[in-house]
Amino acid sequence: SQQGEEDPQALSIQEGENATMNCSYKTSINNLQWYRQNSGRGLVHLILIRSNEREKHSGRLRVTLDTSKKSSSLLITASRAADTASYFCATDAPFSLWETSGSRLTFGEGTQLTVNP
Amino acid sequence: KAGVTQTPRYLIKTRGQQVTLSCSPISGHRSVSWYQQTPGQGLQFLFEYFSETQRNKGNFPGRFSGRQFSNSRSEMNVSTLELGDSALYLCASSLRGYSGNTIYFGEGSWLTVV
Repeated sequence: SQQGEEDPQALSIQEGENATMNCSYKTSINNLQWYRQNSGRGLVHLILIRSNEREKHSGRLRVTLDTSKKSSSLLITASRAADTASYFCATDAPFSLWETSGSRLTFGEGTQLTVNP
Repeated sequence: KAGVTQTPRYLIKTRGQQVTLSCSPISGHRSVSWYQQTPGQGLQFLFEYFSETQRNKGNFPGRFSGRQFSNSRSEMNVSTLELGDSALYLCASSLRGYSGNTIYFGEGSWLTVV
């Protein structure tokens, strides 16, 4: 099942504009990671934000996390045509009593971003 | 430093056959996990291995299995293939697989079942 829901499902903007994508999730988390996927390719890691962090930056990317609202946002500033891709958030939840330790990401459905030249 | 390497990249199989996919994690990474991506179900967790032991398993039938070798390389196997198994299978690795470790993905193996 999908933990997260991403909004919007599709976003089309012009080069140079900013793009904001939102992710909501249902359970408490340890951390949240954002990934980019170009058509037919693997996932490229963008940013990891821990549950005790509120904001993180990496180049043109800015991620916020609001654990009280169970939501995160990814902002891409000064977008480029090369940013055209699907963007996914993935949550890493605390271990349950019946699960051993380890990693297990739960993904949202993704936002398809199109940046027009 | 090489990334996560998956082979083969593309393959076509017939219903009822079985398939084995291979994954080499980033050097030094000991946790390897597998995900299935389909248009209908999105990205779903299959299983995770650490030090040759399966630590977590997703909600998939027993036809899906995997293993990890002492050098951390991993394979996943799908037996008695069904049309619905057509998907992009993604392997991911992380240093130790603990929460907070960045998880890196490979390019994936495209499986088409006909």
